[in-house]
Amino acid sequence: QSALTQPASVSGSPGQSITISCTGTSSDVGSYGSVSWYQQHPGKAPKLMIYEVDKRPSGVSNRFSGSKSGNTASLTISGLQAEDEADYSCSSYAGRRIHYVFGTGTKVTVL
Amino acid sequence: QVQLQESGPGLVKPSETLSLTCAVSGGSISTTNWWSWVRQPPGTGLEWIGEIYESGTTNYNPSLKSRVTISIDKSKNQFSLKLSAVTAADTAVYYCARVVGSGSYMDSWGQGTLVTVSS
Repeated sequence: QSALTQPASVSGSPGQSITISCTGTSSDVGSYGSVSWYQQHPGKAPKLMIYEVDKRPSGVSNRFSGSKSGNTASLTISGLQAEDEADYSCSSYAGRRIHYVFGTGTKVTVL
Repeated sequence: QVQLQESGPGLVKPSETLSLTCAVSGGSISTTNWWSWVRQPPGTGLEWIGEIYESGTTNYNPSLKSRVTISIDKSKNQFSLKLSAVTAADTAVYYCARVVGSGSYMDSWGQGTLVTVSS
């Protein structure tokens, strides 16, 4: 199975909004409402930021939002802050044989 | 808030078996959740290895299935990973995580442990 495709890097200035795409197939992102997003600072464990496409866990800023259209999911970070600089990975359920696939990861840089 | 902590050797020789344990604290491992292993080779993305339910039911990544065994010890509130016949390609940071059963997402993660395969 192939990893979900994400841009290698996205950058923005403080206060701006950025969007990270996560492209899969009709066998994963396109078939299930189980897309999640994880933030990872260097040397740290992943942190759940979005689950089930557009839901935020308690404690996650409402500057983070998720959406999905067809085989592509997206994570938008609005009001970009220095602390948002990190790697972001998407994940999707992919059925009973493969179960989970992750994205290739995107490095977000705050200029 | 459940917490997970990985432990195990940081160096494994090629062709040998990698063994890691994930201790769960702050909650019981016998819940309606799955318990998963995920790895991240240096400089690359996350890769799902497999998961186990409290009943002992397992699911594995098809690309690793022939070499992976995940087990659970409810008396110790922990679960374990064994990966056999390792090569340098298995060098990675290994994470354990809790998978929310109803939603297929990982809401709690261990800090990760680096395992290097080298002679």
